[in-house]
Amino acid sequence: GENVEQHPSTLSVQEGDSAVIKCTYSDSASNYFPWYKQELGKRPQLIIDIRSNVGEKKDQRIAVTLNKTAKHFSLHITETQPEDSAVYFCAASTGTGGFKTIFGAGTRLFVKA
Amino acid sequence: DAEITQSPRHKITETGRQVTLACHQTWNHNNMFWYRQDLGHGLRLIHYSYGVQDTNKGEVSDGYSVSRSNTEDLPLTLESAASSQTSVYFCASSAEKGLYNEQFFGPGTRLTVL
Repeated sequence: GENVEQHPSTLSVQEGDSAVIKCTYSDSASNYFPWYKQELGKRPQLIIDIRSNVGEKKDQRIAVTLNKTAKHFSLHITETQPEDSAVYFCAASTGTGGFKTIFGAGTRLFVKA
Repeated sequence: DAEITQSPRHKITETGRQVTLACHQTWNHNNMFWYRQDLGHGLRLIHYSYGVQDTNKGEVSDGYSVSRSNTEDLPLTLESAASSQTSVYFCASSAEKGLYNEQFFGPGTRLTVL
């Protein structure tokens, strides 16, 4: 069935360093790849997304890259800050013809001050 | 302001009891979803709906049911609660099927089945 694998499950970085989270998906029909951030005890919230016709997208300190051939996509956070500490989820869905979204298992990011 | 709410926020029940979790959104979104969140599994889709009278099974639908009688609400029912259903449940909604739209999540319901 459809699957999204996410690595690593836990990531610890020093404040100011970069963090990279990687995901792979199995459904070749997937064409929309959102990333959600979930702070402790809070609800997941969208931080950035990318569509299949785009290879890279940036928003200030965060960027996403997509390799459709390899079915890989990644989240890059530069100049990490303590408030970046949270669980990050990647997801894949078919934006047309349906909207079922499959989430990765999550990455717990710790940014040490 | 438009929002999505869930109730109750916390629930403790016993094995075998029927439980209903409420989800209500005021965005007039057509799409609504129920997920469960467990450590190591991320968010797993239970059921989803693209509009009134439409419901679909997700990847972990066994033991759960939903109904969509209006645009605003998608209640989730556990027919006979089991300890394996102890989890945090999130409801979400999005605007349109067929478009690349953000899902907005509710605050979650923590359910404990004893």
